[in-house]
Amino acid sequence: QSVLTQPPSVSGAPGQRVTISCTGSNSNIGAHYDVHWYQQLPGTAPKLLIYGDINRPSGVPDRFSVSKSGPSASLAINGLRAEDEADYYCQSYDSNLSGYVFGTGTKVTVL
Amino acid sequence: QVQLQESGPGLVKPSGTLSLTCAVSRGSISSSNWWSWVRQPPGRGLEWIGEIYHSGSTNYNPSLKSRLTISVDKSKNRFSLNLSSVTAADTAVYYCASGVVGATKGQNWFDPWGQGTLVTVSS
Repeated sequence: QSVLTQPPSVSGAPGQRVTISCTGSNSNIGAHYDVHWYQQLPGTAPKLLIYGDINRPSGVPDRFSVSKSGPSASLAINGLRAEDEADYYCQSYDSNLSGYVFGTGTKVTVL
Repeated sequence: QVQLQESGPGLVKPSGTLSLTCAVSRGSISSSNWWSWVRQPPGRGLEWIGEIYHSGSTNYNPSLKSRLTISVDKSKNRFSLNLSSVTAADTAVYYCASGVVGATKGQNWFDPWGQGTLVTVSS
């Protein structure tokens, strides 16, 4: 089971801002391991959205922003658009498991 | 950018062994990346299975370690997954992914991913 907890769903109207939290513990995010974020459009493979806590790969719009504090991180989507409707996952490393862990996933719905 | 493609049987019998291969193209499996497997049960979230380096070094998810073998074939530029004693709980879409090495241990992220292949465990 996932050791990083995310809200099951968030929703917003076009143009609004939504945030997705990712809550871990002192063996992963709280231990200063980087947090990475992925977007999974329906029926497709996950795609890297944010890496190394704050970096956006080429092609990812700056509408996506991140923050991190203690054992938690957050992804914000500003100016929500229809094409942002997808599942979003955070990912980090856990020293107790000696392996990589994913968040439980959050479905973003554009109203 | 490197491309990944999974292949293998879509149906495996309970108690059997699930075997998948990931072909790496437009790049070398002997690069500095680690090569991972991730799975996603239908309608559920992502689970990291394990990873391998071109040297053969591996790291496995503790929950799967007793049933898991990941291997690499540098001559064919591919890596493989074998999961034994499967049950219905192993039914999932299996993805291979390139683990990009971060600044320090444990900072890796996954990019890119293969398209995924659905494996169903059923008699």
